[in-house]
Amino acid sequence: QVHLQESGLGLVKPSETLSLNCAVSGDSISKGHWWGWLRQPPGKWPQWIAEIYHSGSPIYNPSLKSRATISVDTSKNQISLTLTSVTAADTAVYYCARMALDFTAFDIWGQGTLVTVSS
Amino acid sequence: DIVMTQTPLSLSVAPGQPASISCQSSESLRDRDGKTYLFWYMQKPGQSPQVLIYEVSTRFSGMPDRFIGSGSETDFKLTISRVEAEDVGVYYCMQSKLVPYTFGQGTKLEIK
Repeated sequence: QVHLQESGLGLVKPSETLSLNCAVSGDSISKGHWWGWLRQPPGKWPQWIAEIYHSGSPIYNPSLKSRATISVDTSKNQISLTLTSVTAADTAVYYCARMALDFTAFDIWGQGTLVTVSS
Repeated sequence: DIVMTQTPLSLSVAPGQPASISCQSSESLRDRDGKTYLFWYMQKPGQSPQVLIYEVSTRFSGMPDRFIGSGSETDFKLTISRVEAEDVGVYYCMQSKLVPYTFGQGTKLEIK
């Protein structure tokens, strides 16, 4: 059974950098899926941030591209996200997720981790 | 960006009754490969979203057959033929024809 677990600091100060990791178990990230990050501000709908293939080739939401970096570490079987120059608008539950092989949507999601941007 | 608009934003339905959610996209979600990149997700309280329907009308593995997706081009619908208590949550449509993938605002389903 595939399981994704996000981790990272839950409180980040404005203008600082948000860093999150996603450990994947039950599947190899080198197997052929794309892997992504999404976020969901409190009381709002999900927003797609970025996705990446195990060999690289990241794709970003243009609204975040200059601040977001997604990466993959095949030795640790994990993906990561950094988001620079955060503001209160970046407060959200952050999810990592696996893109399905049969269709272009995320079929498995982590439980999510709440990141609050506040001084 | 493709804008996804859902109606209604909330719905209260008695058990055993049908429910219907509409989703409209700002441009056609049918691609040159012939596929239509419209998906439905359900988010139960306190949980992550889970995919219900992919490519308009195909139920994801394990999803009950009371969930029915339909539509084409820019107009789509999710129908629950007979609502059950476990269907409580927020339903989102999502498009992945173009980056950035975008979601509708969500429709909250409550049970009367």
